[in-house]
Amino acid sequence: NAGVTQTPKFQVLKTGQSMTLQCAQDMNHNSMYWYRQDPGMGLRLIYYSASEGTTDKGEVPNGYNVSRLNKREFSLRLESAAPSQTSVYFCASSLRPIEAFFGQGTRLTVV
Amino acid sequence: ELKVEQNPLFLSMQEGKNYTIYCNYSTTSDRLYWYRQDPGKSLESLFVLLSNGAVKQEGRLMASLDTKARLSTLHITAAVHDLSATYFCAVDITGNQFYFGTGTSLTVIP
Repeated sequence: NAGVTQTPKFQVLKTGQSMTLQCAQDMNHNSMYWYRQDPGMGLRLIYYSASEGTTDKGEVPNGYNVSRLNKREFSLRLESAAPSQTSVYFCASSLRPIEAFFGQGTRLTVV
Repeated sequence: ELKVEQNPLFLSMQEGKNYTIYCNYSTTSDRLYWYRQDPGKSLESLFVLLSNGAVKQEGRLMASLDTKARLSTLHITAAVHDLSATYFCAVDITGNQFYFGTGTSLTVIP
């Protein structure tokens, strides 16, 4: 049972490049999330998806887009990366009211 | 705007001592979660608190929830080095959004 799987684990981008972070869960959870973690700021919600076919903005959605491809997969896209998007990105999934389960994270650096 | 505040942000304590981490939140919720994160790692679930007065214990950690005061506590008893980590509380507002506190970085000194 893999849980929540994120790819890639590490990525370096140049300013203006685009990329997609992939996330898949095998726990049959309805809800999926994308967070970013920056030093001293905890985790901030970027986007979430309450169910297949729906997505909603979180606290810090600017500069990002998401796709809930199916129940298992939720991707995060950076169309034009900026240095301010250097962060660690976590994908998570949950089935209310249980807790959210997190992937291993993607460490992204934008130079 | 929802605020989830933890204090202290940094905690250095000696092995064998007791201490409490506090998590205050600014809106109504009866669901609160505690997570642990080791450096460079993902988040690991510790406790799920789903009602007012809920208390959960696992080893040297005990968590409680007071929804009327909008306060949760994580109590550490007789700390050991292995408990060194960052601890986060998270509040579930709508069932689809987990809002996290800024974390408490705990260092247990031998």
